[in-house]
Amino acid sequence: GQQVMQIPQYQHVQEGEDFTTYCNSSTTLSNIQWYKQRPGGHPVFLIQLVKSGEVKKQKRLTFQFGEAKKNSSLHITATQTTDVGTYFCAGRGSNYKLTFGKGTLLTVNP
Amino acid sequence: DVKVTQSSRYLVKRTGEKVFLECVQDMDHENMFWYRQDPGLGLRLIYFSYDVKMKEKGDIPEGYSVSREKKERFSLILESASTNQTSMYLCASSPTWDLTGTGRRPQHFGDGTRLSIL
Repeated sequence: GQQVMQIPQYQHVQEGEDFTTYCNSSTTLSNIQWYKQRPGGHPVFLIQLVKSGEVKKQKRLTFQFGEAKKNSSLHITATQTTDVGTYFCAGRGSNYKLTFGKGTLLTVNP
Repeated sequence: DVKVTQSSRYLVKRTGEKVFLECVQDMDHENMFWYRQDPGLGLRLIYFSYDVKMKEKGDIPEGYSVSREKKERFSLILESASTNQTSMYLCASSPTWDLTGTGRRPQHFGDGTRLSIL
């Protein structure tokens, strides 16, 4: 079945440093979604990417969808303590089921 | 704003018990999901439902069943609880699939139920 690999599993940064998490799918995706889960909270939808090569920005967050629609990345510029949490990608394949990556836990040292 | 409510935040049960986890959403969403979340394993789909009385197995359905008698309510049932089912259980809902595959249909999650099986 469809698998979505996400790396790294953990990332610790100093406040102000950049952060990137990567997702790779074993199959071509129709779209990919990104979620953020704060410590003790539940996943919250951030964004959806649909088109090949698409790039979207939300303030300091930049999301990319690969040309082959099999990989994606989330980049945070100049991290802040409020960015702490686990970031998940979730890919939708041809059967419309979302498959989540295992997530990247980001911790930020103030 | 979408509200997904799970009946319990914390639950402790004993091995062999039949356990019911309830989830209610207030946005008339057609699709509802049950996931379990374990450290290092991310979110794994147990079952989902795309309509009343309809259900489909996810990636790890063994030991679980579900019930969807009303559109707003989706129940997860552990037929005979075992210690390896100790986990955080998350319910989610989303509106109807976009058949073109390009619809923006995020999943909305409840706060989760932390279930301990002793």
